[in-house]
Amino acid sequence: DAKTTQPTSMDCAEGRAANLPCNHSTISGNEYVYWYRQIHSQGPQYIIHGLKNNETNEMASLIITEDRKSSTLILPHATLRDTAVYYCIAYSGTYKYIFGTGTRLKVLA
Amino acid sequence: NAGVTQTPKFQVLKTGQSMTLQCAQDMNHEYMSWYRQDPGMGLRLIHYSVGAGITDQGEVPNGYNVSRSTTEDFPLRLLSAAPSQTSVYFCASSPTARQGYTFGSGTRLTVV
Repeated sequence: DAKTTQPTSMDCAEGRAANLPCNHSTISGNEYVYWYRQIHSQGPQYIIHGLKNNETNEMASLIITEDRKSSTLILPHATLRDTAVYYCIAYSGTYKYIFGTGTRLKVLA
Repeated sequence: NAGVTQTPKFQVLKTGQSMTLQCAQDMNHEYMSWYRQDPGMGLRLIHYSVGAGITDQGEVPNGYNVSRSTTEDFPLRLLSAAPSQTSVYFCASSPTARQGYTFGSGTRLTVV
């Protein structure tokens, strides 16, 4: 599965949209983009996934570029409880998620 | 509906001891996995299972055994604990290969 690259850390003001980028320039056609987050030392929490169309659920929106080489996770109105490490994963269904080091998002009051 | 339950939450072992980390899910998920997370790092896959009776190795399987006799349970056995196995262990399950995984709250293991 393709390697992903994310910024090490980001800050966001409470109430504003948090836009977390992910680069996956070597992604193949059958690989989906998944996003998880890990709050403090809890188990990771699934957020959203998509193949090529933009996706939205109650937690977030996922925007995937037309060439699929990058994507952005959008938390529309960040709260302090969204402070976490966010992981972007390219996954083809081979059962082996590769977690990188993710982006540490800090939401500021 | 408890989700994924891991026991114990904390454990201290002496080098050379063996133990089993328990993982149970009540969602009838076919896919289950074990990960370890070392300080400041992402999760690394130890073993995974695609159904009862079927298991396979992940990225870092050495020193660990698994079995899957039922859909609900996926225990992880440490055969002879080493300090390098000090870590936080997470179990996860999913109904299919492509749906998101549900993770347990973790077992924090220290080997002295």
